[in-house]
Amino acid sequence: EVQLVESGGGLVQPGRSLRLSCTASGFTFGDYAVSWVRQAPGKGLEWVGFIRSNAYGGTTEYAASVKGRFTISRDDSKTIAYLQMNSLKNEDTAVYYCTRYYGDGFDYWGQGTLVTVSS
Amino acid sequence: SYELTQPPSVSLSPGQTARITCSGDALPKHYAYWYQQKPGQAPVMLIYKDNERPSGIPERFSGSSSGTTVTLTISGVQAEDEADYYCQSADRSGNPLFGGGTNLTVL
Repeated sequence: EVQLVESGGGLVQPGRSLRLSCTASGFTFGDYAVSWVRQAPGKGLEWVGFIRSNAYGGTTEYAASVKGRFTISRDDSKTIAYLQMNSLKNEDTAVYYCTRYYGDGFDYWGQGTLVTVSS
Repeated sequence: SYELTQPPSVSLSPGQTARITCSGDALPKHYAYWYQQKPGQAPVMLIYKDNERPSGIPERFSGSSSGTTVTLTISGVQAEDEADYYCQSADRSGNPLFGGGTNLTVL
């Protein structure tokens, strides 16, 4: 059974940093891209970024709203993906979902972790 | 910039057929995907590559595509289908893009 479990969310002040983790199981983690999708309270889904598998260079893409502030990385030996979030803003407050990104769609989702940016 | 436009809400009675549209200039160039999100839960993929259904998704959910519009059809809507529905495709860079979501209410 494919499982994705996010952790690391919480309350953080504007301008500070936070790192989210996504622990995967139930599939060959290294064969797949991993993406982060967020959802602000009461709002719709917003793609944040993704990291390709190492077979495709392990390169990353980001939404314009987070480019230069957020970084996605992966450790295939531990089957974990990370979302490093720097220079956080109030508008980054959201539930952050880790997803398996396959064929240009998100076929499996974690339960999400809440990040609240507030002073 | 590319956008995917969905109606904010759809309401209908049990047993009726729901058709939720998603419009965007990029749709002829990229596949569309559909997700269902119930309150307090993570989204679930309903349709991939315009009209394919993942295993475990009931047959009453189907997808279609015509030009710049894709449609999610729910045949014989049930109370348990009450949820938010999102389409997703790609922008001009090939990066993922979501529609604004449609809230389906089953009266």
